[in-house]
Amino acid sequence: EVQLVESGGGLVQPGGSLRLSCAASGFTFSSYWMSWVRQAPGKGLEWVANIKQDGSEKYYVDSVKGRFTISRDNAKNSLYLQMNSLRAEDTAVYYCARVVAATLLDYWGQGTLVTVSS
Amino acid sequence: EIVLTQSPDFQSVTPKEKVTITCRASQSIGSSLHWYQQKPDQSPKLLIKYASQSISGVPSRFSGSGSGTDFTLTINSLEAEDAATYYCHQSSRYGGTFGQGTKVEIK
Repeated sequence: EVQLVESGGGLVQPGGSLRLSCAASGFTFSSYWMSWVRQAPGKGLEWVANIKQDGSEKYYVDSVKGRFTISRDNAKNSLYLQMNSLRAEDTAVYYCARVVAATLLDYWGQGTLVTVSS
Repeated sequence: EIVLTQSPDFQSVTPKEKVTITCRASQSIGSSLHWYQQKPDQSPKLLIKYASQSISGVPSRFSGSGSGTDFTLTINSLEAEDAATYYCHQSSRYGGTFGQGTKVEIK
């Protein structure tokens, strides 16, 4: 059974940093692109970042470029999102998702809440 | 960036009624359009892939159609458990976008 479990969310002050993790199981993690998607409270879904199987390609939504870094450790079956210079508008539930054929998000984690507030 | 626009934003429907949600893309995306269902306090769940392909375990009352710029999600004979927000989605390796969502409420 495919499982994705996010962790690392919490309350952080504006300008602060946070590192999210996503533990994957039930599939060959190193064979899939992975994504982070976020959802602000009461709002819709927003794609945040993609990473290729070997980490050699990474793509970001414009609003997080230069502040967020997606990475992965295939030996640990884990996906990460390093978030720096956090802003109030980054407040959201962050989901990790498995990507199929570079286009389809077929499995999602339960999400982890990041709150940026003073 | 490809913009996806869903309509309506909200729909209140009685059980057994048919629901139709549309998604319009700002440019042609072929059939690379997927639909997700999100219930309150849950993560999104894949409903339909590549515009019209069914997903194992998803009830057959859910179906999708369309290509190019215009897509439709249909729920035949709505059930109470279908109360949720529905999103369309397109992406490539370079990034993706979602529609704004359509909330379906059961009367």
